[in-house]
Amino acid sequence: DGGITQSPKYLFRKEGQNVTLSCEQNLNHDAMYWYRQDPGQGLRLIYYSQIVNDFQKGDIAEGYSVSREKKESFPLTVTSAQKNPTAFYLCASSTPPGMEAFFGQGTRLTVV
Amino acid sequence: AQSVTQLDSQVPVFEEAPVELRCNYSSSVSVYLFWYVQYPNQGLQLLLKYLSGSTLVKGINGFEAEFNKSQTSFHLRKPSVHISDTAEYFCAVSDRAAGNKLTFGGGTRVLVKP
Repeated sequence: DGGITQSPKYLFRKEGQNVTLSCEQNLNHDAMYWYRQDPGQGLRLIYYSQIVNDFQKGDIAEGYSVSREKKESFPLTVTSAQKNPTAFYLCASSTPPGMEAFFGQGTRLTVV
Repeated sequence: AQSVTQLDSQVPVFEEAPVELRCNYSSSVSVYLFWYVQYPNQGLQLLLKYLSGSTLVKGINGFEAEFNKSQTSFHLRKPSVHISDTAEYFCAVSDRAAGNKLTFGGGTRVLVKP
């Protein structure tokens, strides 16, 4: 079955540690996106990529980094510079870019 | 920059009653419009989309939405809700003039009461 896989579903980290969230898709989609979801704030765009080896900052990129070395993969690193990293993170993909996005099941990150 | 406003953060509604969820976006020449639904601790699922053509769009689970270009709105409606429609609903806009960036509204939580 085609889809988007985010792992892990739940992630706990100590404050000050970097952590990488995985997102893999086998839909052959060109574009991939990372969103952060906080209660009452909807989804806010962190980074997006329309093609391999290229990505753009979204609205809240500070404290995050990404790479797009393969079409299927778009990992997100939450760095120690992110002041409030505890949130629900959603990965999505679409093709062509800007069309309907398909979402993974999310990763809930808790920093203690 | 594109912005999307969902005017109601919560909408309580009785089972079998109609519901309307409002969505407005900032003006743009070329946009695609979407409504998604999210159940607790899950990803988002597409309900319907407007790309071009007829301004009345029908989606899954009996939902429909109307695109109004002059009012830059894309309101979602369902004539008769079920308990299973209890979820959070998100309006999203893809702005082709802004690098196909997909921007979401703040969400509307629908609570269907028996």
